[in-house]
Amino acid sequence: DQQVKQNSPSLSVQEGRISILNCDYTNSMFDYFLWYKKYPAEGPTFLISISSIKDKNEDGRFTVFLNKSAKHLSLHIVPSQPGDSAVYFCAARRSGAGSYQLTFGKGTKLSVIP
Amino acid sequence: NAGVTQTPKFRILKIGQSMTLQCAQDMNHNYMYWYRQDPGMGLKLIYYSVGAGITDKGEVPNGYNVSRSTTEDFPLRLELAAPSQTSVYFCASGQQKYYEQYFGPGTRLTVT
Repeated sequence: DQQVKQNSPSLSVQEGRISILNCDYTNSMFDYFLWYKKYPAEGPTFLISISSIKDKNEDGRFTVFLNKSAKHLSLHIVPSQPGDSAVYFCAARRSGAGSYQLTFGKGTKLSVIP
Repeated sequence: NAGVTQTPKFRILKIGQSMTLQCAQDMNHNYMYWYRQDPGMGLKLIYYSVGAGITDKGEVPNGYNVSRSTTEDFPLRLELAAPSQTSVYFCASGQQKYYEQYFGPGTRLTVT
């Protein structure tokens, strides 16, 4: 049972335009969400996060939106740059016991075309 | 700071062989994790540790063992390697009060 779903395996965007990566979750106990970025042959690196008590968090070109009622979050990258080309993973933390564990989605491969 | 380091980067094992994947962090993090990533899949938690001497199973622990004798090191042991253990293995660490985890570069393991 996949509790964190990234339904788009890949996404292509022109340089300078907006990239929108989506993530859905099923577990109501998730209370903290994170986005990781991964380049080939490297480990994932933390990008941005959001607590379930917020609906938006912004860091430079990156903004994460959370819609709790829809159990949906999205990562917006504006403007997109070729260096943003990578695989993006959505992850979620469950409140309570085992709260240090993260559940990851399968990832979305973003290609930013110059 | 080197962050999280993993050795080796690549390894090919024959079925039935054993090996230890090394992981070390120099950020004084209490929490450490081992994940595996299969092609086209997300990361799945194998084992984790909340401090020296304390370890527990994650989602996919079968075929693996861990130990945590120091804050810095968290080795992952594969006994009797099987083709199903062909994967990329990532070690990560984090602090108790923050949820972000910091990952090493990974070890690509092939079992044939």
